[in-house]
Amino acid sequence: QKEVEQNSGPLSVPEGAIASLNCTYSDRGSQSFFWYRQYSGKSPELIMSIYSNGDKEDGRFTAQLNKASQYVSLLIRDSQPSDSATYLCAVKDSGGGADGLTFGKGTHLIIQP
Amino acid sequence: KAGVTQTPRYLIKTRGQQVTLSCSPISGHRSVSWYQQTPGQGLQFLFEYFSETQRNKGNFPGRFSGRQFSNSRSEMNVSTLELGDSALYLCASSSRTSGTGELFFGEGSRLTVL
Repeated sequence: QKEVEQNSGPLSVPEGAIASLNCTYSDRGSQSFFWYRQYSGKSPELIMSIYSNGDKEDGRFTAQLNKASQYVSLLIRDSQPSDSATYLCAVKDSGGGADGLTFGKGTHLIIQP
Repeated sequence: KAGVTQTPRYLIKTRGQQVTLSCSPISGHRSVSWYQQTPGQGLQFLFEYFSETQRNKGNFPGRFSGRQFSNSRSEMNVSTLELGDSALYLCASSSRTSGTGELFFGEGSRLTVL
């Protein structure tokens, strides 16, 4: 059974610092990796996708992927209070079919003003 | 551009009843997926539809079913409701062909089973 593991937190980070969120996955066949942000009482929204090893930057967000270690991370630079949310790591295999995403249970991030 | 619309937003049912949830994807999106979110299990994949065809189904009992119409709108049905079916049911659409993980979620339908 495919598993995606995340530290549930809460992870508390001072405003302006770098928040580092981590995720490991069990299925070596996984090919696509995503970070979703979910504010309390709201639905998830996609913030980053990454498909190849290395780093991918988008504004204050950087996603990092290491397929050999089966590890994905998300860095948030210059953290703002508005970044306080639950961050969900999601993984998809290449299967060619339409398997849905396998989500981790999320890391609760708190940015302290 | 309107987002993914789910109805109803909240509903309360009793054990043994059935429920139908509706989802209208973003205009132009042909892929619709359904997920169940609970505090204990997190987000779990139910099924995905593309061009009116169910492409795959997650590990849920047969009481959970769905369909997609020619206008890409989708419905999911849960029959013989159990207490454990209480959850937030999220619909997501995608502009790409089936198989992508880049999803746009609706606000969800929160089901409470008494």
